[in-house]
Amino acid sequence: QSALTQPASMSGSPGQSITISCTGTSSDVGDYNYVSWYQQHPDKSPKLIIYEVSNRPSGVSNRFSGSKSGNTASLSISGLQADDEADYYCASDIRSRTLVVFGGGTKLTVL
Amino acid sequence: QVHLVESGGGVVQPGGSLRLSCRASEGSGFTFSRSGMHWVRQAPGKGLEWVAFIQSDESRKDYADSVKGRFTISRDNSRNMVYLQLGSLRAEDSAMYYCAREGSGIVVGAFDYWGQGTLVTVSS
Repeated sequence: QSALTQPASMSGSPGQSITISCTGTSSDVGDYNYVSWYQQHPDKSPKLIIYEVSNRPSGVSNRFSGSKSGNTASLSISGLQADDEADYYCASDIRSRTLVVFGGGTKLTVL
Repeated sequence: QVHLVESGGGVVQPGGSLRLSCRASEGSGFTFSRSGMHWVRQAPGKGLEWVAFIQSDESRKDYADSVKGRFTISRDNSRNMVYLQLGSLRAEDSAMYYCAREGSGIVVGAFDYWGQGTLVTVSS
């Protein structure tokens, strides 16, 4: 099972909006609506920020939103803040157990 | 508040063994004995890699191909613990190991809680 494809790095200025893509295949991202996204600050554990493509867990800012089109899922962050500087990972449907794959991660820099 | 706390990491020689533990404290909406649990690892400076899964009642266990036959996942619901026995360790197994809960109820198909991780270093 190949990893999902994410851009290695992205950057934006405070207040701007950015969108991180996560490209899979018709067998994973394109096949179901259980893509999730995780934020990981340096030396911290990952934190769930989006599940089922576009749902936010309680307590996650509404500046984070998710969507999907075909085999590509996307994470959008609006009104960039310094604290958004982190690594972001997408993941396929973890219910598939042995077919769980993560994206390679995107390092977001807030300039 | 739900907490997952891993322990057991350390430095081990190639070919050696190690047992990792993850203790769960239950909180609102989180009953350990009803939760599927996973281990996910992250090599230094690298991305996340799924390692293993265990069903709430141990009826199913799954492993990544990279660890199949070398690692064993288990749990003790009476103690709110999940374990990962690491064997025949290789340098490429060096990583931070996280336990993570598979969401159920509202959050489906995602890891909704993560521990802080325990570091395993395989080196001679």
